[in-house]
Amino acid sequence: GDSVTQMEGPVTLSEEAFLTINCTYTATGYPSLFWYVQYPGEGLQLLLKATKADDKGSNKGFEATYRKETTSFHLEKGSVQVSDSAVYFCALTINTGGFKTIFGAGTRLFVKA
Amino acid sequence: GAVVSQHPSRVICKSGTSVKIECRSLDFQATTMFWYRQFPKQSLMLMATSNEGSKATYEQGVEKDKFLINHASLTLSTLTVTSAHPEDSSFYICSTGEGETQYFGPGTRLLVL
Repeated sequence: GDSVTQMEGPVTLSEEAFLTINCTYTATGYPSLFWYVQYPGEGLQLLLKATKADDKGSNKGFEATYRKETTSFHLEKGSVQVSDSAVYFCALTINTGGFKTIFGAGTRLFVKA
Repeated sequence: GAVVSQHPSRVICKSGTSVKIECRSLDFQATTMFWYRQFPKQSLMLMATSNEGSKATYEQGVEKDKFLINHASLTLSTLTVTSAHPEDSSFYICSTGEGETQYFGPGTRLLVL
């Protein structure tokens, strides 16, 4: 069935370090891909999305490119800040007569000053 | 994007009692709302799809008699956990939106003693 796999955390980085969080997916159709962020005690917020192959989603310095050939949507940021500490969820949405979202397990990021 | 609120944000109850969680769409007419639960350090699992004016659609393995959903208006959906037990303790999150773009509530943390 459809699924999302992302790298296990936690990931601990120093401020200004480069961030990569890997995400791969399996889907029977042609999904849209998303990254959501969850700050402590809060709900999920959409970080970025891509709806077709080779699209690049970007927001707040984060980027991810929809790679159909490798079924991946890795999240990257060139220089992380302490305020980026959160849990990041990779997700896909498929249309099965209505839209359904499937989430990865989440990756917790800690950024040290 | 749409603003989604949940009430209460946190609730503690005794085993055997029922708890109602409200999900409100503040600036968006939500014909469909989704209810998720999130266990500690795990991803969101879709429980059910709430449809305004009709019965909810439950995911496989979710007991519809235990998790009662009512979606009586375009701005409000409620999830009632009936005869709650400690294993129902979790973080419950609702979402709504247009098509593949979803907006999430801040979540309700339920602790059943």
